[in-house]
Amino acid sequence: AQKITQTQPGMFVQEKEAVTLDCTYDTSDQSYGLFWYKQPSSGEMIFLIYQGSYDEQNATEGRYSLNFQKARKSANLVISASQLGDSAMYFCAMREPPGGYIFGTGTRLKVLA
Amino acid sequence: KAGVTQTPRYLIKTRGQQVTLSCSPISGHRSVSWYQQTPGQGLQFLFEYFSETQRNKGNFPGRFSGRQFSNSRSEMNVSTLELGDSALYLCASSGRVVDTQYFGPGTRLTVL
Repeated sequence: AQKITQTQPGMFVQEKEAVTLDCTYDTSDQSYGLFWYKQPSSGEMIFLIYQGSYDEQNATEGRYSLNFQKARKSANLVISASQLGDSAMYFCAMREPPGGYIFGTGTRLKVLA
Repeated sequence: KAGVTQTPRYLIKTRGQQVTLSCSPISGHRSVSWYQQTPGQGLQFLFEYFSETQRNKGNFPGRFSGRQFSNSRSEMNVSTLELGDSALYLCASSGRVVDTQYFGPGTRLTVL
């Protein structure tokens, strides 16, 4: 069965520093998608970045990059130059068609001034 | 382009009642998915609709149902509410079933 594991319930990072949020996944399929979402206290899930299982390059979106290591089944999110507004819950998710997303338990990130 | 909208944003019901939540997807998106988020169970997939057809369903009891209209708007219904149904219900839309999903602000349901 599909599974997403986020082992860091909470993390702190100093403003302007980089931070890595861990995500490992388990699937038996060859075709799948990996996603990261940010959820501020308001509740809305904000899409950050996507990595397809066949993508050879690591995905990047502005200050966000995804460190994809297929053999290790990991898809870590790297946030560079952290900002105070980055404080939120971060969820890793996987989509294995057909089906909805499977989410991890999330990591609460706190950026310190 | 306007994002996903959900109504109402907040709802308070009592046990045994039923509730209907509404979701309007991003214009042009034909796939709508629903998720339940609770502190104990986290984010769980409820169901997904594409072109008015339910494509996938999560592991929820039959009290949870949904539908999609020809304009891609979707509703979900929960009958015979239980205390455990208190949650944030999130709707997400995508252009195709396999595309990235974009979420709405959610409906926070409290069952008393």
